Amino acid sequence: DTGVSQDPRHKITKRGQNVTFRCDPISEHNRLYWYRQTLGQGPEFLTYFQNEAQLEKSRLLSDRFSAERPKGSFSTLEIQRTEQGDSAMYLCAGGFDEKLFFGSGTQLSVL
Amino acid sequence: KQEVTQIPAALSVPEGENLVLNCSFTDSAIYNLQWFRQDPGKGLTSLLLIQSSQREQTSGRLNASLDKSSGRSTLYIAASQPGDSATYLCAVIDNNDMRFGAGTRLTVKP
Repeated sequence: DTGVSQDPRHKITKRGQNVTFRCDPISEHNRLYWYRQTLGQGPEFLTYFQNEAQLEKSRLLSDRFSAERPKGSFSTLEIQRTEQGDSAMYLCAGGFDEKLFFGSGTQLSVL
Repeated sequence: KQEVTQIPAALSVPEGENLVLNCSFTDSAIYNLQWFRQDPGKGLTSLLLIQSSQREQTSGRLNASLDKSSGRSTLYIAASQPGDSATYLCAVIDNNDMRFGAGTRLTVKP
């Protein structure tokens, strides 16, 4: 158990719908990352928070994607107007110092 | 832009064999490198973290080495077991960015 929990584990949605995922790291995790992973590939960086500040965003994060970490604790990732190409595993990782601890991910399927 | 490559993409070995997984990266100015294990449909489990000033780290049957100048890291698994079957990912950390390779899918046959 890494201490990082993600909810939901699985999400099936229709194209065009909005979805929101949640990540709860442990309280000591001042850093929080979101990644996206498709089958047979390594995780791709989406965005990074240091406490509540969003410090980096990948170009993969189009304007349909938004992430927040309002109090420097849990984080949400919202995808608006989902497309079939958004189908992937969305992974959250928390950390302090150099080590990162990953959650089990949210598997999104867009029909 | 940092590129991380892992070779081979897949590996199948009989139980008991020692094996080496390879990771290469294009920009040697990394902060550290981390090896992860991923089981199908699951998140990533950290195995070993090597700081940029270190040459290797060991944990049980696992040994990871880092050669920054040549842009390479290896993960050595001794006396492999069927329970080691998983995908192994290496990731290089540069400032706030962690970039992953595509992984090596390992199968250890009983």
